Amino acid sequence: KAGVTQTPRYLIKTRGQQVTLSCSPISGHRSVSWYQQTPGQGLQFLFEYFSETQRNKGNFPGRFSGRQFSNSRSEMNVSTLELGDSALYLCASSWGQMNTEAFFGQGTRLTVV
Amino acid sequence: DQQVKQNSPSLSVQEGRISILNCDYTNSMFDYFLWYKKYPAEGPTFLISISSIKDKNEDGRFTVFLNKSAKHLSLHIVPSQPGDSAVYFCAASARGQNFVFGPGTRLSVLP
Repeated sequence: KAGVTQTPRYLIKTRGQQVTLSCSPISGHRSVSWYQQTPGQGLQFLFEYFSETQRNKGNFPGRFSGRQFSNSRSEMNVSTLELGDSALYLCASSWGQMNTEAFFGQGTRLTVV
Repeated sequence: DQQVKQNSPSLSVQEGRISILNCDYTNSMFDYFLWYKKYPAEGPTFLISISSIKDKNEDGRFTVFLNKSAKHLSLHIVPSQPGDSAVYFCAASARGQNFVFGPGTRLSVLP
């Protein structure tokens, strides 16, 4: 069974641009969560989608948005990029039921210059 | 305000000895806890979990202990191996809510 796939793996963008990251969950998983990892900050929760609906949202500005498609694939968009948005963005998928572990992709490393 | 804390940014242990990674949380609604391991350039991988109805869960060399009254959990790795060198994240969730991760502890197992 294929794991969680995130594309692209690496990305360099300029301040002010926008970016879209993609995540394909494990087949059958209906929940996709996005996290931002920066040095010393651990994994900061961005949002979770379940059956095409945003179920939970973290404390990030409105420049960060996402969506989930009917096949459970998810995209995350960041508009008006800032230097501080440089981070590793991780996607995790799960069945979506309570108390089940999530499986992570390898992440997309975004560098804003 | 961090709800999940891992107060040791790093830990070094000799191969064959026990590694103990600690995690504290503040939200009394958390009822499910997990540990993830992360190697550089890879996503975190699930290690072991524990529900609040238990105080211990064991899986091979890995044991997680939960002390609800102290809002503390720990991961024990016995015996530690060089391949265990990684960053370990503690995560917690309340019913139906997203997982909240700690900042991680970098474990180095010295041969």
